[in-house]
Amino acid sequence: DAKTTQPPSMDCAEGRAANLPCNHSTISGNEYVYWYRQIHSQGPQYIIHGLKNNETNEMASLIITEDRKSSTLILPHATLRDTAVYYCIVRGNNAGNMLTFGGGTRLMVKP
Amino acid sequence: DTGVSQDPRHKITKRGQNVTFRCDPISEHNRLYWYRQTLGQGPEFLTYFQNEAQLEKSRLLSDRFSAERPKGSFSTLEIQRTEQGDSAMYLCASSLPRASGSSDTQYFGPGTRLTVL
Repeated sequence: DAKTTQPPSMDCAEGRAANLPCNHSTISGNEYVYWYRQIHSQGPQYIIHGLKNNETNEMASLIITEDRKSSTLILPHATLRDTAVYYCIVRGNNAGNMLTFGGGTRLMVKP
Repeated sequence: DTGVSQDPRHKITKRGQNVTFRCDPISEHNRLYWYRQTLGQGPEFLTYFQNEAQLEKSRLLSDRFSAERPKGSFSTLEIQRTEQGDSAMYLCASSLPRASGSSDTQYFGPGTRLTVL
């Protein structure tokens, strides 16, 4: 699976949009971009995933560049409860592919 | 609650003791994964089951570790002769295969935090 690069930490004001970038320049054509987050001492929580089109669900939006070498997770109105470590993961669709977690981005939402 | 459940949530043991953790996946999910997470790090893959078959094991899974999924539903992870380095959060995830060409999403349980004294 392709490697990802994320900033180690980011701050965001409560109520503002949080834009979390991820670089995955070696992604291959059949690899998906997944985002998970982990709130302190809890299991990772699935947020969203996409292949090449932008995706939106009730939690977030995922914007993938046309060349697929980078993506941005957008939390439209961040709340204090969105403070967590956010992981961007590239994963193939072969049977049994594990998730390879990097260091993630520690997002701190501040009042 | 229809999510992945894990038991116990916390376990404190003395070095050299054996411990066993249980994971109950989301109903009908036939893929089950175990991960380990040490403090300050992201989760690391340990092993993977499809139904009752253990199809993949990480080199992190030493011979003191054994995982089973006898009936293709719940799974157990046993650590024999625990060492202080085994202290970590042990996470379980499950997924349901999608149609060919698409990706299946893994959903995680709350984890079991192991402390080896």
